[in-house]
Amino acid sequence: VQLVESGGGVVQPGGSLRLSCAASGFTFTSYDIHWVRQAPGKGLEWAACVRFDGHNRYYADSVKGRLSISRDDSKNMVFLQMSRLRGDDTAVYYCAASPSGYRDFDFWGQGTLVAVSS
Amino acid sequence: QSALTQPRSVSGSPGQSVTISCTGTSSDVGGYDYVSWYQQHPGKAPKLLIYDVTKRPSGVPDRFSGSKSGNTASLTISGLQAEDEADYYCCSYAGIYSLLFGSGTKVTAL
Repeated sequence: VQLVESGGGVVQPGGSLRLSCAASGFTFTSYDIHWVRQAPGKGLEWAACVRFDGHNRYYADSVKGRLSISRDDSKNMVFLQMSRLRGDDTAVYYCAASPSGYRDFDFWGQGTLVAVSS
Repeated sequence: QSALTQPRSVSGSPGQSVTISCTGTSSDVGGYDYVSWYQQHPGKAPKLLIYDVTKRPSGVPDRFSGSKSGNTASLTISGLQAEDEADYYCCSYAGIYSLLFGSGTKVTAL
């Protein structure tokens, strides 16, 4: 089982960035995929989820309207389009997988760092 | 929504038991049997220890156990080991498909 994030980097406030998460080793279409973030020295924060069928997407209030999650089942990939970024979006972003119908995170990637700074 | 409340730190001698509490409300911890616990070593991704309040994934040592009473969930480490030194986070379903993490607890083996 593997989840590999990419796309992190330094971006100016107000800018945009697209994160990717490549999945392998499990039945991708049976899992909900989440993005969980962790600001430097801080705790974990759930940010977004795309359900196993791709039809339903959910967001934390803190990111609603600025982050958009999507999945491409033909490539076993999930994306997080980030726009209107702010300083408090600076964090390591993890993708995590949850079996459909469950409310926990079974598998995690290694994370990718997003730094919002001028 | 505010993070679930966890003690900032707990400690114990090797072999002792330690318990970490996770306090929420009737809208999250108290309202659903969907509490999970994660262990995170420095610089590493979190690892699932407990799901659905009390269930342990295969491969997780049985010294880790979970419980819940009212709006408070707990993680107990029975027989603390040096490698258990890490940060621990609870997480609860909070309705309308949102998930809420706890503030995190640092466990130290004295």
